[in-house]
Parts: sequence; structure tokens; C-alpha cells
Amino acid sequence: GAVVSQHPSWVICKSGTSVKIECRSLDFQATTMFWYRQFPKQSLMLMATSNEGSKATYEQGVEKDKFLINHASLTLSTLTVTSAHPEDSSFYICSAGLTSGPRYEQYFGPGTRLTVT
Amino acid sequence: GDSVTQMEGPVTLSEEAFLTINCTYTATGYPSLFWYVQYPGEGLQLLLKATKADDKGSNKGFEATYRKETTSFHLEKGSVQVSDSAVYFCALSGDKAAGNKLTFGGGTRVLVKP
Repeated sequence: GAVVSQHPSWVICKSGTSVKIECRSLDFQATTMFWYRQFPKQSLMLMATSNEGSKATYEQGVEKDKFLINHASLTLSTLTVTSAHPEDSSFYICSAGLTSGPRYEQYFGPGTRLTVT
Repeated sequence: GDSVTQMEGPVTLSEEAFLTINCTYTATGYPSLFWYVQYPGEGLQLLLKATKADDKGSNKGFEATYRKETTSFHLEKGSVQVSDSAVYFCALSGDKAAGNKLTFGGGTRVLVKP
């Protein structure tokens, strides 16, 4: 249980175009999902917290107009990289939060590798 | 703010060797502590966790004990295998008031040679 999927697993797009990444919780409902960015050989950087039915909360330094997040349902959050540039090339990972009794845990998707040419 | 510091890699060792990856943290309140593993080209998998002081998390031969007095959560495995080659991340989770956010350490790359 508690499986999170991402689509696509990898994408190549041209500079100036937009690309959408989907994050789905397959067997549970998640009121909160998180989006991370990971540069090669580096740690994960939290970009934003996505809340179902409300606006996402962005971390300091993350451009909300460039990285559009929509949490349309309890099982789906999307990240759209608008007007992509080569410096946006990265590994994007989402996670979905699940509360079970007193415990809260994040379950991670397999990641999406974005290459902007 | 919260932070996690873990030893830098890469760590290279031979099969059946003993592995230790140090992790220390600073946090307000009483965070939960985690170790995640990332295999090449993949996302993160939870390896083990501990939610309160003196708890020991264990999985797949790995262990880590939540030491509040030293603010540490060191990862250990007595006999590593080639398949343990991966990047290991130590992380802490803030409470609900903090948005349940995870704060990650920088990651430690481990390479196990046959």
C-alpha cells in the first residue's frame, strides 16, 4: 500500500515550452503533497507544499509563477514548469502525505527527470 | 530552523564490511527521524525511522537509534552487500504545526565493491 506514481518518468522539452508533471497517490487519499527538486549528486530541496483545494505554499526562493502547482483532487497534484530553460533541467520528485492514527509519513514517487534543450 | 548534517561521501568499502553513516540534527520540538535510500535513477525509499528518543529503527539489516542527548541518528549495517550501493539520506520531520515538512541531509553515496 501507499504507492505514489509520477508521470512521465522522463521528459525532454525545448527551451521556452512548458511541461507538466503528474503525481498520483494510487491507493490512498492525500490532502497534502510535496514537490522536491534534486540536482545531480545533491540532496532534495523542497519546492512547495501542495494542498488539495487551496493554493500551494512555496518555499523561499522558488518562483511560483514559473512552477505552477495544482492539487485538483485528493489523489492528484501537478507541477507545470512554464517557459522552461536549460537551468530547469533537474530530477523532480513528489511525495504524498498519509496520516495513520498518530503517525504521519510521506511516500515518495519515483521521480521525473526533466531535460530542457 | 531545522537542519540535518550527515557525513559526506563517497564511502567505498568491500562486501561484508561494517558500514556507519553519521547523522546529526538540530530541531525544535520532538521530530521524527528517517533514513531514506535512493538507488541510481530512482526515487526515495524509506529505509527505517524512529519517532521518539531511544527508539531503534531497523530494516534489511540496517539499524539506527534516536539519540536525543547527542541529537544523532547514525545508520549502521554489520555486513554490507554490493546491492547496498546507493545514496543514503538522513531526514527529520517537523510536526503538524510545521507542515510535516521533511528536512534532508546532503546524502551519502555508498559504493560496495565485491
